[in-house]
Amino acid sequence: QKEVEQDPGPLSVPEGAIVSLNCTYSNSAFQYFMWYRQYSRKGPELLMYTYSSGNKEDGRFTAQVDKSSKYISLFIRDSQPSDSATYLCALGTGTYKYIFGTGTRLKVLA
Amino acid sequence: DSGVTQTPKHLITATGQRVTLRCSPRSGDLSVYWYQQSLDQGLQFLIQYYNGEERAKGNILERFSAQQFPDLHSELNLSSLELGDSALYFCASSVTGLAGRSYNEQFFGPGTRLTVL
Repeated sequence: QKEVEQDPGPLSVPEGAIVSLNCTYSNSAFQYFMWYRQYSRKGPELLMYTYSSGNKEDGRFTAQVDKSSKYISLFIRDSQPSDSATYLCALGTGTYKYIFGTGTRLKVLA
Repeated sequence: DSGVTQTPKHLITATGQRVTLRCSPRSGDLSVYWYQQSLDQGLQFLIQYYNGEERAKGNILERFSAQQFPDLHSELNLSSLELGDSALYFCASSVTGLAGRSYNEQFFGPGTRLTVL
């Protein structure tokens, strides 16, 4: 079993839709939860970071962590074609070795 | 632009050869990380250096090695290349690399695409 599981997609949604991206994990030692966005032929860039359980909101993006279920989510409201990218979750234990999910490809149709 | 630079952008080589990938971290960042990204494996952590010293190791093959120089740039050396080594190689940097209960954002470079024929 992989430490982090992420649905690879692709996920196609119409512009304006609410998008839900998810990762599940098996290691209860993870404390740091991040979402990266990666455009085609570019390096990943950090979107959201949360520590421990709870929600964090930043504009149209909300990150949610449920440590009891070992489940993290990223919600994108009012999705735009410019949100079309691959979204990777990354989890860390407190050292700087992050475990990344394989990424979910999102396409927002105009 | 993250401020992390990587050269070359693309590299095409043959099996059995050796290549060197170069990374310059953001100004002020002391820690450098190397990752391999392939279609089926996703982003895999290879190795981390902090201020010239190896700090953490991931799934790095014995044929691969890295170092961080006094000016903080880093090189990843890949030798006896195999077809399966074809991938995107990313470098990331962060301000510190010390383990502890604090978050430290990693900034990624644009990557080097390696093709082994």
